[in-house]
Amino acid sequence: AQTVTQSQPEMSVQEAETVTLSCTYDTSESDYYLFWYKQPPSRQMILVIRQEAYKQQNATENRFSVNFQKAAKSFSLKISDSQLGDAAMYFCAYRSAYGDVLSGTYKYIFGTGTRLKVLA
Amino acid sequence: DGGITQSPKYLFRKEGQNVTLSCEQNLNHDAMYWYRQDPGQGLRLIYYSQIVNDFQKGDIAEGYSVSREKKESFPLTVTSAQKNPTAFYLCASSLQGNSYEQYFGPGTRLTVT
Repeated sequence: AQTVTQSQPEMSVQEAETVTLSCTYDTSESDYYLFWYKQPPSRQMILVIRQEAYKQQNATENRFSVNFQKAAKSFSLKISDSQLGDAAMYFCAYRSAYGDVLSGTYKYIFGTGTRLKVLA
Repeated sequence: DGGITQSPKYLFRKEGQNVTLSCEQNLNHDAMYWYRQDPGQGLRLIYYSQIVNDFQKGDIAEGYSVSREKKESFPLTVTSAQKNPTAFYLCASSLQGNSYEQYFGPGTRLTVT
């Protein structure tokens, strides 16, 4: 079974600085998708960025970028020029490219989250 | 605007009572999911469904039940058999196949006393 591990329960960053959140995963599959979700105090989950495992190029979305190391099974999120609005829980998630054998449905596996504090 | 709605935002119940959480989507998504979120435990999958009248148990299905009578709706019932029902519940949906992003509702905070 696949697992996702976020080893940093909490991180802090000074406003305008850069911070990196760590995520590692375990899988025997070669084709899958990885995601970072943000959950602000409103608790609405928002997709930040996604990465296809077959792509070597790291995904980038404005101030957010990932460092995807497939062999190491590592998927870290870098937030540049941190803003107060970036303060939130961040969840790393994994989804297999292959659906459930019986139902064809795709399951998403989430890490336990990292709480990011942004200091003014 | 398309999206997922969950109601109510806060729900209070007495121990021993069943309670149903609503989840509706107008995104025309095939798959729908229910997650439970507790502090320090991330999101844990309760039930998921790909098509109408079909659903599968997730990792923590005991004490919960669901139905999928319409594509747009996936209500979750928290039964009295659930030992620790107080939690934040999130509903999500996604397209199947090549489109793989999950969209989430705003969540329902259930408190059972």
